[in-house]
Amino acid sequence: QVQLVESGGGVVQPGRSLTLSCAASGFTFSNFAMHWVRQAPGKGLEWVAVIWFDGKKKYYADAVKGRFTISRDNSKKTLYLQMDSLRDEDTAVYFCAKVGETGDYYFEYWGQGTLLTVSS
Amino acid sequence: ETLMTQSPATLSVSPGEGATLSCRASQDIGNNLAWYRQKPGQAPRLLIYGISTRATGVPDRFRGSGSGTEFTLTISGLQSEDFGIYYCQQYNSWPPVTFGGGTKVDI
Repeated sequence: QVQLVESGGGVVQPGRSLTLSCAASGFTFSNFAMHWVRQAPGKGLEWVAVIWFDGKKKYYADAVKGRFTISRDNSKKTLYLQMDSLRDEDTAVYFCAKVGETGDYYFEYWGQGTLLTVSS
Repeated sequence: ETLMTQSPATLSVSPGEGATLSCRASQDIGNNLAWYRQKPGQAPRLLIYGISTRATGVPDRFRGSGSGTEFTLTISGLQSEDFGIYYCQQYNSWPPVTFGGGTKVDI
């Protein structure tokens, strides 16, 4: 069965960096685009970034553009999110998500999420 | 950016009753509309995609409908496990993919 397992969250100070990981299993990782979606405490869902199946195209939400970098290692079946210049407002649970079998950008599977807290 | 607006914000229902959740897009999104349910402390779960196609394992008491900019998720015969926050999401025009603000269903 499909599994997505995020890791790397924690408490960091504003301005610092952190990298999240998402280990995938149960499907052919290299065939699908992958996304990061976040959820601030008590708030709704916010899309963060997408990377194409081959890593050649990447798109970001305006709120993170220029600070976050999405990447993937298909040989390791792992998705990453490098987060630089972190701000208080980046505090959230970060989910990785797999697109649907059709390739459309709805999210068929989600990880359990990893919590990032940005605080001094 | 396509804005998604959900109503009502909160819906209180009794077991066995039906519920109707609404989602409006700021522009035509074709059939690129999905619904999710999220329970406290959990990741969202895909319920519906393509306006009306139920995801694997989703019971047929969940029905999605609509077109263009107006969409509805209808839940018939609500069960206790149906409580949670329901989100709609458009994937027609991206980036960014956008979500509605959610409807909390209290059983």
